Amino acid sequence: ETGVTQTPRHLVMGMTNKKSLKCEQHLGHNAMYWYKQSAKKPLELMFVYNFKEQTENNSVPSRFSPECPNSSHLFLHLHTLQPEDSALYLCASSQDRENTEAFFGQGTRLTVV
Amino acid sequence: AQSVSQHNHHVILSEAASLELGCNYSYGGTVNLFWYVQYPGQHLQLLLKYFSGDPLVKGIKGFEAEFIKSKFSFNLRKPSVQWSDTAEYFCAVSLHGSSNTGKLIFGQGTTLQVKP
Repeated sequence: ETGVTQTPRHLVMGMTNKKSLKCEQHLGHNAMYWYKQSAKKPLELMFVYNFKEQTENNSVPSRFSPECPNSSHLFLHLHTLQPEDSALYLCASSQDRENTEAFFGQGTRLTVV
Repeated sequence: AQSVSQHNHHVILSEAASLELGCNYSYGGTVNLFWYVQYPGQHLQLLLKYFSGDPLVKGIKGFEAEFIKSKFSFNLRKPSVQWSDTAEYFCAVSLHGSSNTGKLIFGQGTTLQVKP
């Protein structure tokens, strides 16, 4: 248990569906992140939030829409995805200061059919 | 652009063998360095980290890594692996001095398989 909880663990969705991934951290951190882990590719940073404000969007297509209502919760809203978006989506959090490490959730395995 | 390269994609060892996984990064500034491990079906967890100071860092489960600045390397080592070390290992870097220490650039990972 890392203190970062992601739900659901597995999700299968059609290309016309709308779904959301949820991340919750119980560590008192104020920075949260979404990463994408595709087969045979390095983990890719998607979004960064600091104190609920989005500070980085790593050229992510608009069919992925993040939301951070407070420092403990992070969502990734999905709509009209493509099969190539199938991947493991990881949430992470860290304290907003130097020389700390990030803590990761177990991820949501997404399959787009 | 910054990048992290892990030379070995798939390593197979017998128990008690020694392990060294290579990691090189490309970045002109000062970096923080990390090794994460992902056991089958589990979350990414931190093995060890380097921010500054002694370039030889010790982590959990008998792992260590050495930062060689001149070689832009941060290789992971373990003198004697166990079957339970079977996992995927990721090297990652972040910008030193940044408060966004979760903003990581990852290598592509190395799958370690330890045969009993």
